[in-house]
Amino acid sequence: DAKTTQPPSMDCAEGRAANLPCNHSTISGNEYVYWYRQIHSQGPQYIIHGLKNNETNEMASLIITEDRKSSTLILPHATLRDTAVYYCIVRVLNAGGTSYGKLTFGQGTILTVHP
Amino acid sequence: DARVTQTPRHKVTEMGQEVTMRCQPILGHNTVFWYRQTMMQGLELLAYFRNRAPLDDSGMPKDRFSAEMPDATLATLKIQPSEPRDSAVYFCASGKTGTSGSSYEQYFGPGTRLTVT
Repeated sequence: DAKTTQPPSMDCAEGRAANLPCNHSTISGNEYVYWYRQIHSQGPQYIIHGLKNNETNEMASLIITEDRKSSTLILPHATLRDTAVYYCIVRVLNAGGTSYGKLTFGQGTILTVHP
Repeated sequence: DARVTQTPRHKVTEMGQEVTMRCQPILGHNTVFWYRQTMMQGLELLAYFRNRAPLDDSGMPKDRFSAEMPDATLATLKIQPSEPRDSAVYFCASGKTGTSGSSYEQYFGPGTRLTVT
């Protein structure tokens, strides 16, 4: 799976959009971009994933550049409850053999939303 | 709202004792993962199962750790004997994977916080 690079920490004001970048310059054509987050003392939580088109769900939007070498997770109106570690992960969708669903977590970005 | 459940939530034990952690995956999910999280190493995958068959346990110390799925509703992670360096939060996650290996999100449980003194 391709390696990702994320800033170690970011701040955001409550009510503003939080834009979390992720660099994955070695991503392969069949690798998806996944985002998870981990709120303090909880298990990681799936947010969104995408291949090359921009994606949106009730939690966030995912913007993937045309060359797919980077992406941005957007929380449109950040709240204090969005304070968490955000993980960007790239992996193939159809990973057979011993790689079914396997996720490799990096260090992520600590997002702090302040009043 | 379906959730992954884990028991116990907290466990304090002495070095050398056996520890068993349990996980109930979401009904209908066919893939179960065990992760360990420490400050130093972050989130590490220990082992995982698909349709109750172990697929990969290369992340586990084989001499003391064992993972099993006695049935589709229960996964266990056992440490025997436990050591202080095993102190960590252990997460179980479940998900669906298709026959081609396609999979989307994993759903994580609340974790078991293990302290070995």
